[in-house]
Amino acid sequence: QKEVEQNSGPLSVPEGAIASLNCTYSDRVSQSFFWYRQYSGKSPELIMSIYSNGDKEDGRFTAQLNKASQYVSLLIRDSQPSDSATYLCAAQTGANNLFFGTGTRLTVIP
Amino acid sequence: DTGVSQDPRHKITKRGQNVTFRCDPISEHNRLYWYRQTLGQGPEFLTYFQNEAQLEKSRLLSDRFSAERPKGSFSTLEIQRTEQGDSAMYLCASSTGTGVGEQYFGPGTRLTVT
Repeated sequence: QKEVEQNSGPLSVPEGAIASLNCTYSDRVSQSFFWYRQYSGKSPELIMSIYSNGDKEDGRFTAQLNKASQYVSLLIRDSQPSDSATYLCAAQTGANNLFFGTGTRLTVIP
Repeated sequence: DTGVSQDPRHKITKRGQNVTFRCDPISEHNRLYWYRQTLGQGPEFLTYFQNEAQLEKSRLLSDRFSAERPKGSFSTLEIQRTEQGDSAMYLCASSTGTGVGEQYFGPGTRLTVT
């Protein structure tokens, strides 16, 4: 099992809908978790971090962490065409480096 | 806060040549990371510095790769005797030494080996 796994998609949602992105992780990574957004040809941009069980909200974004089930998710409310990008889930080890999933490509249809 | 900067942004080189990339982290960040990303994949960790000390290296970092951070500020990543398989985006990230340790990425250097 890879350290972090994501459904590569693509995921398409209509404008204004909720986009739900999911990620599972292995026992080898278990500290903090991060969601990055990456536009084509650009570098990853940090959206949110989460390290405690439960939900964390920031504007239209909500990150959810369930350590018992080893999954982390990102909800994007009121999706906009500008949200169309690849979303990378990352997990941090005790050694501080990040393990990334392969990313989920999201398309928001106007 | 000017963010993480990397230079050059693009590099085309012939197989067998040496290349060097530079990363300038966010000024108050004492941790600096190098990652490599190929098309359709997430970034893969290469190496990590805390101040000037190189604390961890991935097994992906072959003997042809070397990284330095001589004064705990900017860092360089050198690839010797480049191979076509080295073609990738090389990403630098930095973070503070406290808290969750959120990493912020620079724009990357895209390397093409012909």
